[in-house]
Amino acid sequence: DQQVKQNSPSLSVQEGRISILNCDYTNSMFDYFLWYKKYPAEGPTFLISISSIKDKNEDGRFTVFLNKSAKHLSLHIVPSQPGDSAVYFCAASAQGGSEKLVFGKGTKLTVNP
Amino acid sequence: GAVVSQHPSWVICKSGTSVKIECRSLDFQATTMFWYRQFPKQSLMLMATSNEGSKATYEQGVEKDKFLINHASLTLSTLTVTSAHPEDSSFYICSARVPGRKAFFGQGTRLTVV
Repeated sequence: DQQVKQNSPSLSVQEGRISILNCDYTNSMFDYFLWYKKYPAEGPTFLISISSIKDKNEDGRFTVFLNKSAKHLSLHIVPSQPGDSAVYFCAASAQGGSEKLVFGKGTKLTVNP
Repeated sequence: GAVVSQHPSWVICKSGTSVKIECRSLDFQATTMFWYRQFPKQSLMLMATSNEGSKATYEQGVEKDKFLINHASLTLSTLTVTSAHPEDSSFYICSARVPGRKAFFGQGTRLTVV
């Protein structure tokens, strides 16, 4: 049973445009969500997080939106840069983030120059 | 920011031997560390939760006698893959949760069993 789903295995966008990565979850106990970026053969790097008390969190070019009723979150990257090309994982946790992280399968983003 | 160091970054071992992977939190104390495994093009799958000073909690389907976890101090957790077989070849990643929210990850260890 996949509790965190990233239904798009890959996404390709043009440099300077917006990248939108989507994530759906099924467990209503999840109340803390994170996005990680991962390069091949490296550990994931934290990007941005959001608590369920918010519906939006912004950090520079990265914005995460949370729609609790739809159990959906998205990561917006604007403007996209070639260096953003990586695999992006969505992760969720319960108990205000103190529980273990459950990851989606990831979306491979390619930003073309 | 908080840093988690994982060593070695890659290792090749013969079938039947054991391999130890270290995970250190460099500038914070981690009472809990997590060990993940990632197969190619798959998600990170939690293997076990390592608690300082107590036994690790293993996820369903993970053999605790094969994947030995020791969390002897607040800054070090080790994962030992015992009697490794080719099917154990994978990418192993540790993480430590900063009290609060974020989890920081080690660089990962690519294990190849030949």
